[in-house]
Amino acid sequence: DIQMTQSPSSLSASVGDRVVITCQASRDISNYLSWYQQKPGKAPELLIYDASDLETGVPSRFSGSGSGIDFTFTISSLQPEDIATYYCQHYDTFPWTFGQGTKVEIK
Amino acid sequence: QVQLQESGPGLVKPSETLSLTCTVSGRSLSDSYWAWIRQPPGRGLEWIGYIYSSGSTNYNPSLKSRVAISIDTSTNQFSLKLSSVTAADTAVYYCARHIRLIAPMDVWGQGTAVSVSS
Repeated sequence: DIQMTQSPSSLSASVGDRVVITCQASRDISNYLSWYQQKPGKAPELLIYDASDLETGVPSRFSGSGSGIDFTFTISSLQPEDIATYYCQHYDTFPWTFGQGTKVEIK
Repeated sequence: QVQLQESGPGLVKPSETLSLTCTVSGRSLSDSYWAWIRQPPGRGLEWIGYIYSSGSTNYNPSLKSRVAISIDTSTNQFSLKLSSVTAADTAVYYCARHIRLIAPMDVWGQGTAVSVSS
C-alpha cells in the first residue's frame, strides 16, 4: 500500500494568515492526489483534485501543488469558516489511502 | 444534483454482519463508480472498496475476506456487507461516487454511525 504522510497533525493560525499543509507519498503517485475538508460531524468535501485543480464552487483561497511524491495544500488567507480537519488522499493505485489529517484551528 | 444517503442499523452485535445501503438520487448508477469509506471515532479515513455500475468490484485487502459490495440499478442503490464484525469496525460509514476508475471521490453521503457492541 502507498503510505501518505501528512504534516503537521494540527496547527493554530490567525484569521488572514497563510496556512500550508504538506503530504508525502511513499512512492510516485504522479498527480493523483486530492485534498478534502472535513468539518466536525460532517462528511469530507472535495476541495482539490489532480493535485492542483480546484473543485467547482471552492473558494480560490484554497490551492494545491506538487507531483510525484511531495504535495502542498495552501490556504492563502485563513477564514473562520475554514476551521476543519484536512486530508490528502491518493488515487493512483488500489487500495486508496488517506493522510492522517491536519486539524486547523484559529489562534 | 447527485445526492447520496446511507441507511442501516446503528448497532450490530459482535460476530454478526453489518449491512448498509446507499441510495443515490439525482442520477442513475450507470457509468460511475460507487465507494464505501469509514472513519472510526476520532480517527482518520479508510477506503473500503468500490463497485462499478456493471457490478465489478475492488476491495481493500485489509478487509477483503469480510467485505462484499453489491449494486441494484432498479432501485438506484448499492450496499455494503461486512461480516464477523468486532469493536474495531465501529465507525461512521460513508458512501461516495467517483466518475472514473482513477478519479477523486467528488460526492459523499452524510455518513451513518455504526457501533459494534453486545
